[in-house]
Amino acid sequence: GAGVSQSPRYKVAKRGQDVALRCDPISGHVSLFWYQQALGQGPEFLTYFQNEAQLDKSGLPSDRFFAERPEGSVSTLKIQRTQQEDSAVYLCASSLERGRAYNEQFFGPGTRLTVL
Amino acid sequence: GQNIDQPTEMTATEGAIVQINCTYQTSGFNGLFWYQQHAGEAPTFLSYNVLDGLEEKGRFSSFLSRSKGYSYLLLKELQMKDSASYLCAIMDSNYQLIWGAGTKLIIKP
Repeated sequence: GAGVSQSPRYKVAKRGQDVALRCDPISGHVSLFWYQQALGQGPEFLTYFQNEAQLDKSGLPSDRFFAERPEGSVSTLKIQRTQQEDSAVYLCASSLERGRAYNEQFFGPGTRLTVL
Repeated sequence: GQNIDQPTEMTATEGAIVQINCTYQTSGFNGLFWYQQHAGEAPTFLSYNVLDGLEEKGRFSSFLSRSKGYSYLLLKELQMKDSASYLCAIMDSNYQLIWGAGTKLIIKP
């Protein structure tokens, strides 16, 4: 299909392990967002890319979190030295363009990360 | 600060009508979105309001009052498949989406 895809869908990590989460946005979408969603909560913004430029990373909870989108398409969210509080669903969304008020975001299925 | 409030959970009967309210206080306003999220799945877009009034789309309608910082999502002729969480989100002055915690809607036969 032509939707946003994420991999892996499920990831179990031991505390202290590094993980990498991948997002393939919809082709041609300029904007890419990463969110963290705890159980029973709404998504919390992590970071935003416009093409390859990371324009906003104000939501990253610590310097253990790092995101990149080197060629302006696929993005990777990396979490170093995972902690139990990192357990959550990580959602990726893409949209045609930010800076427009009507700007529907299309979400991927998410990666459920469990840190033991 | 930024704050979005919506009820945690609501229950309704199949075939009935339900209204899910959302109140907000945010830094700037560039529109209000409603998303539907089934358990374990990604949020999917339902509606967008930027002007006051009612937007109707099939069985779903969304209302906005900017002066009151208030919106509601109205679902008619409820079906079992409508059981899901409904998320209210505001696009702030930086065009960033600020999300409510969601309302879990339970539909009973």
